[in-house]
Amino acid sequence: EIVLTQSPGTLSLSPGERATLSCRASQSVSSSYLAWYQQKPGQAPRLLIYGASSRATGIPDRFSGSGSGTDFTLTISRLEPEDFAVYYCQQYGSSSWTFGQGTKVEIK
Amino acid sequence: EVQLVESGGGLVKPGGSLRLSCAASGFTFSSYSMNWVRQAPGKGLEWVSSISSSSSYIYYADSVKGRFTISRDNAKNSLYLQMNSLRAEDTAVYYCARVWDGWSLVFDYWGQGTLVTVSS
Repeated sequence: EIVLTQSPGTLSLSPGERATLSCRASQSVSSSYLAWYQQKPGQAPRLLIYGASSRATGIPDRFSGSGSGTDFTLTISRLEPEDFAVYYCQQYGSSSWTFGQGTKVEIK
Repeated sequence: EVQLVESGGGLVKPGGSLRLSCAASGFTFSSYSMNWVRQAPGKGLEWVSSISSSSSYIYYADSVKGRFTISRDNAKNSLYLQMNSLRAEDTAVYYCARVWDGWSLVFDYWGQGTLVTVSS
């Protein structure tokens, strides 16, 4: 099973700042099957990025994804108040899905 | 509008059983693979089980294999999760999620979740 490790665990930033979130896989992941989700308290996760770098429908262009192999990054170019949340990376492989443990982006 | 509405959660004793349901609307349910994902209180997301559109392919996480059974009724636009031999560690919010029908196997729509609490 591929393990996804996200870092940092918590990111303390101010609105307007840039956020860089990392997701590292224990073995190579197909970029086609790497996704990022946003989850706010009391809500279901929301798909942000699929295929490592494609934005889902309705996702603002301040969100971008990059990476390949074992290292992937989610970047939020300028944090808006509504972006403070927990972010999860996810991969699909061998008929199963795994999630990273999450990165919380909190207001500094 | 795509909607997924889970139900059936509640309090159950260790060793007990529970059946979750997910009612789908706003899309052609029979054309999509579906999944269950859970989240223990204050913890991250854990994939539980997947079922293909025609129920031909079914997969489980090791943590629930042999205890949980996923199924669907395309005529009723419904997804189910039969949970047996429940343990305290199964306590979580259970979400149903649709698999995008494009080239990337991601979950594009999620329900609001239903809470399962396993406790004596």
